[in-house]
Amino acid sequence: GAGVSQTPSNKVTEKGKYVELRCDPISGHTALYWYRQSLGQGPEFLIYFQGTGAADDSGLPNDRFFAVRPEGSVSTLKIQRTERGDSAVYLCASSLSGGLAGYDEQFFGPGTRLTVL
Amino acid sequence: SQQGEEDPQALSIQEGENATMNCSYKTSINNLQWYRQNSGRGLVHLILIRSNEREKHSGRLRVTLDTSKKSSSLLITASRAADTASYFCATDPSGSARQLTFGSGTQLTVLP
Repeated sequence: GAGVSQTPSNKVTEKGKYVELRCDPISGHTALYWYRQSLGQGPEFLIYFQGTGAADDSGLPNDRFFAVRPEGSVSTLKIQRTERGDSAVYLCASSLSGGLAGYDEQFFGPGTRLTVL
Repeated sequence: SQQGEEDPQALSIQEGENATMNCSYKTSINNLQWYRQNSGRGLVHLILIRSNEREKHSGRLRVTLDTSKKSSSLLITASRAADTASYFCATDPSGSARQLTFGSGTQLTVLP
């Protein structure tokens, strides 16, 4: 597709369950980012991939959160033992080179709204 | 953590009026960007201003940056109902766009 896509668009789960959120970046973009946006707030950085490797995971809140990008394109954000406080919109973005050649615009997907009951 | 704070949190104006939103940030930056977010959608990049620039224009948008005050403003002229959205500033301390730090946003409502 032409833009960043994320699936599912909505996910409702129960506390303690495991969830996976998927991001399909723009074809050819080497950099991929995950953000989390709570209600009424701006997005908060979680993790950044350059190719297959996590170049910066300093935003992951704790070890229940993990993300992979095994082939350098699609990425999956995984949350174990979900808690009610994990409820938020999870946004994915991609950019052409991740700023390696200077400033690089990030293109955002529509997000996955996660609700933990 | 949130780097910037937008002001006001909410703004309601009539179509045709100008809308001004402000952003303050805490650390030194390489550039500052403004994004728009429509309800239920992802963010759309509007404009970037570098730390050595003071003002930038793009269509009906005008952005100013005052690094001495660590603040920026976004002006939308001749607003339209379609401009109704949340507007966020984002700072990029490293200049590489690898990790953007967003403010809490201004909800703009343009009444027809």
